[in-house]
Amino acid sequence: GAVVSQHPSWVICKSGTSVKIECRSLDFQATTMFWYRQFPKQSLMLMATSNEGSKATYEQGVEKDKFLINHASLTLSTLTVTSAHPEDSSFYICSAQGGTGELFFGEGSRLTVL
Amino acid sequence: DAKTTQPPSMDCAEGRAANLPCNHSTISGNEYVYWYRQIHSQGPQYIIHGLKNNETNEMASLIITEDRKSSTLILPHATLRDTAVYYCIVRRGRRSNDYKLSFGAGTTVTVRA
Repeated sequence: GAVVSQHPSWVICKSGTSVKIECRSLDFQATTMFWYRQFPKQSLMLMATSNEGSKATYEQGVEKDKFLINHASLTLSTLTVTSAHPEDSSFYICSAQGGTGELFFGEGSRLTVL
Repeated sequence: DAKTTQPPSMDCAEGRAANLPCNHSTISGNEYVYWYRQIHSQGPQYIIHGLKNNETNEMASLIITEDRKSSTLILPHATLRDTAVYYCIVRRGRRSNDYKLSFGAGTTVTVRA
């Protein structure tokens, strides 16, 4: 199947710093990518829909100024957690829409904010 | 998107078939049934999807009732590596303007030796 790669797979940062997570579709072009967050023992929660060349659409309750999403090309979307705090510690997962309609997911990025 | 209902957990024996039920009584005509699974600390993995006909691939079979209000995912010969959380999701077709995937609680499947 199609491959979606996330980087970094894990990151530890100090409170107040910003962290960027990359999501790449390695063997297909994705006009739409989705970003999810998952807390321990909970399901995935959709944060935003990222469309190539346009602004992201955020789900209700997700702060767009805190979670900056950029989808500059058909194979790359980035999520930047700005001024991170311990409550932002979570597992962040991206997915990309393939040409046949399936969504393929990245391996996830675990963020720990100290 | 239509809501789905799944049992919170189930156990199955290694080597036996695992039948995972899902209710989606409010599904509409243009919504597909998708199944994903998530092994601990990994991203979700696509398993299978269907509209109204039964589907089979190398991983599993999907049986959708005639009224489309429920479906069953069948893992024909469960292995220990199939232990995961399985998500049943209904989702509009890709021609829709809104084809995002929303996850429920899923079923935690534990395969025992």
